[in-house]
Amino acid sequence: EVQLLESGGGLVPPGGSLRLSCAASGFTFNSFVMTWVRQAPGKGLEWVSRISDSGGSTHYADSVKGRFTISRDNSKNTVYLQMNSLRAEDTALYYCAKGGSWDYSGSGSPADWGQGTQVTVSS
Amino acid sequence: EIVMTQSPATLSVSPGERATLSCRASQSVSGNLAWYQQKPGQAPRLLIYETSTRATGIPARFTGSGSGTEFTLTISSLQSEDFAVYFCQQYHNWPPLTFGGGTKVEFK
Repeated sequence: EVQLLESGGGLVPPGGSLRLSCAASGFTFNSFVMTWVRQAPGKGLEWVSRISDSGGSTHYADSVKGRFTISRDNSKNTVYLQMNSLRAEDTALYYCAKGGSWDYSGSGSPADWGQGTQVTVSS
Repeated sequence: EIVMTQSPATLSVSPGERATLSCRASQSVSGNLAWYQQKPGQAPRLLIYETSTRATGIPARFTGSGSGTEFTLTISSLQSEDFAVYFCQQYHNWPPLTFGGGTKVEFK
């Protein structure tokens, strides 16, 4: 059974930093693209970032480009999201997701989701 | 960026009735479309990928169809556990992956 456990969320002032982690189990981690998706309170889903299976290719939403960095440690079955220069509009529940095996383009379109970790940016 | 538009925003349905949800893309996404279900306080769950393929464990009452820019999710006979918000998402032209704004299926 696929399990994705996010951690690292919390309350941070504007301009601050957080590092989210997502510990994965139940599948061959180094064979799958991983993705972060966020959901602001009462809002829809917004794709944030994806990283290839090897970690050699990353992509970001324009809204976070230059401030967020995605990475992975395949020896620890963990994907990370380093978030710097946080803004109030980054406040959201951040989900880690495993890309679908059916997605041959490598986009990281989510097949399995974690339960999310809450990030609140406020003074 | 491909914009995904879902309609209606809210759909009021009685248990046992059919529900039809629509998703439109601003340009063709071929068949690279997925549907997700989200219940309050829960993470989204994959229902459908590649327009019409049900994910593991998804009941046959969920059917996806369409191509190009017009897609539909049909729930043939609504069960109580189907009242939720449904999102479509394209993975044809990325980055970014883009989601529709969601359709809330509520009890009539």
